[in-house]
Amino acid sequence: DQQVKQNSPSLSVQEGRISILNCDYTNSMFDYFLWYKKYPAEGPTFLISISSIKDKNEDGRFTVFLNKSAKHLSLHIVPSQPGDSAVYFCAARSNFGNEKLTFGTGTRLTIIP
Amino acid sequence: KAGVTQTPRYLIKTRGQQVTLSCSPISGHRSVSWYQQTPGQGLQFLFEYFSETQRNKGNFPGRFSGRQFSNSRSEMNVSTLELGDSALYLCASSLAGGGMNTEAFFGQGTRLTVV
Repeated sequence: DQQVKQNSPSLSVQEGRISILNCDYTNSMFDYFLWYKKYPAEGPTFLISISSIKDKNEDGRFTVFLNKSAKHLSLHIVPSQPGDSAVYFCAARSNFGNEKLTFGTGTRLTIIP
Repeated sequence: KAGVTQTPRYLIKTRGQQVTLSCSPISGHRSVSWYQQTPGQGLQFLFEYFSETQRNKGNFPGRFSGRQFSNSRSEMNVSTLELGDSALYLCASSLAGGGMNTEAFFGQGTRLTVV
């Protein structure tokens, strides 16, 4: 049972344009969401997070939007840069005191120069 | 501030052997979690330790075990290795506690190959 889904395995975006990565979840107990960027054979790098009490969080070029009623979140990268090419994972967590992350299957983002 | 350190980076073991992987969390972080990444299953949660106690466990067989020491360093052990245990094993540390949401930071991982 895949509780966190990233339905697009891959995405190609022109350099300078906006990249939008999507994530859906089914477990209504999830209340904290994180995005990670990952290169092959390396650990995920934390990008940005959002609590369920918010609907938007911004950090530089990265913005995460959360739509609780739709159980959907998205990561916007503006402007996209070649160094953004990587696999992006969304992850979700439920309840305070529980550090277990449930990950999506990832989206491979390729930025075209 | 040093990040999460995992040792060794690469390991080759034979079926039936056992292996121990090590993780040193970020200084001050009390929670350490372990994940397995495989091409077919993605990133799967193994277990989480907080203040030397296992606080949560994923759906893995008993061959997978772990522990945490008083300095928050953690080890995971896999006994009777199977070919399917070949994976990237990732450790994550977080501040945890205090009723606040905190981010988890990952180490570089240990690439285990079972032959």
